[in-house]
Amino acid sequence: DADVTQTPRNRITKTGKRIMLECSQTKGHDRMYWYRQDPGLGLQLIYYSFDVKDINKGEISDGYSVSRQAQAKFSLSLESAIPNQTALYFCATTDRVNQPQHFGDGTRLSIL
Amino acid sequence: AQSVAQPEDQVNVAEGNPLTVKCTYSVSGNPYLFWYVQYPNRGLQFLLKYITGDNLVKGSYGFEAEFNKSQTSFHLKKPSALVSDSALYFCAVRDGSSYKLIFGSGTRLLVRP
Repeated sequence: DADVTQTPRNRITKTGKRIMLECSQTKGHDRMYWYRQDPGLGLQLIYYSFDVKDINKGEISDGYSVSRQAQAKFSLSLESAIPNQTALYFCATTDRVNQPQHFGDGTRLSIL
Repeated sequence: AQSVAQPEDQVNVAEGNPLTVKCTYSVSGNPYLFWYVQYPNRGLQFLLKYITGDNLVKGSYGFEAEFNKSQTSFHLKKPSALVSDSALYFCAVRDGSSYKLIFGSGTRLLVRP
C-alpha cells in the first residue's frame, strides 16, 4: 500500500463547482503539503500544515482552502472551480523540514 | 528570495554515456538541496539531498550530485545512463530560515538506446 494516498486520481468537472481533493498518509508525519504542478513551472506550494492546529498559506493559496481533519488527513478544496485551476495536484508529507518529502501519485484535475 | 534554476528543459544522452542535469540556486542562508525524479503518472520520488558535509552526495539508483558553494550549483550526475533513467527531474532548495521547498521548473531526461 502507498504511504501517501490521494483521491481521486482523476477528476473532470465544470466551472463553478466545488471540489475536494483528499490526501491520507500512513507515515505518521506531522507535516503535510499541497502542491500544484503545471507544465514548465515545476511545483508551487498551495498550503502547508505542521500539525492539526497549524495551517499556513503557500505561494498560490487564492481560490483554495484546506482542512486538516487529523494527523493523517489533509484535504484541499476549490470552492468555485475555474479553468485556470486545471493542473496536477500533489500532496506530500515529511517528519522534519530538512528531510525529504514523500509524495502521493497526484490528482489530475480538469475544469471545463 | 530563494530561487532555483534548471537551465535545460531537456537533456538527451545515449545509454551508457555519463549524464549531467544542471541546477543553480539562490538562498539567503545555508542551503538544503534536494533532487527528485518523476515518472509518468507518479508523484515525485526522492533521489538525494545535501544538508552539510561532503560536497559529493550519493543517492538512489546510482545518481550523485556535486555541491559547489562558489558557483551556487548542485548538478545531478550519473556515470552511465540507462534507458530507464528517462524521466522528469526536479531540483529543490530550502534555506535555513524557511520551512518551504522551492522547486525548479524541471528537466526532462531522455536516454536513447
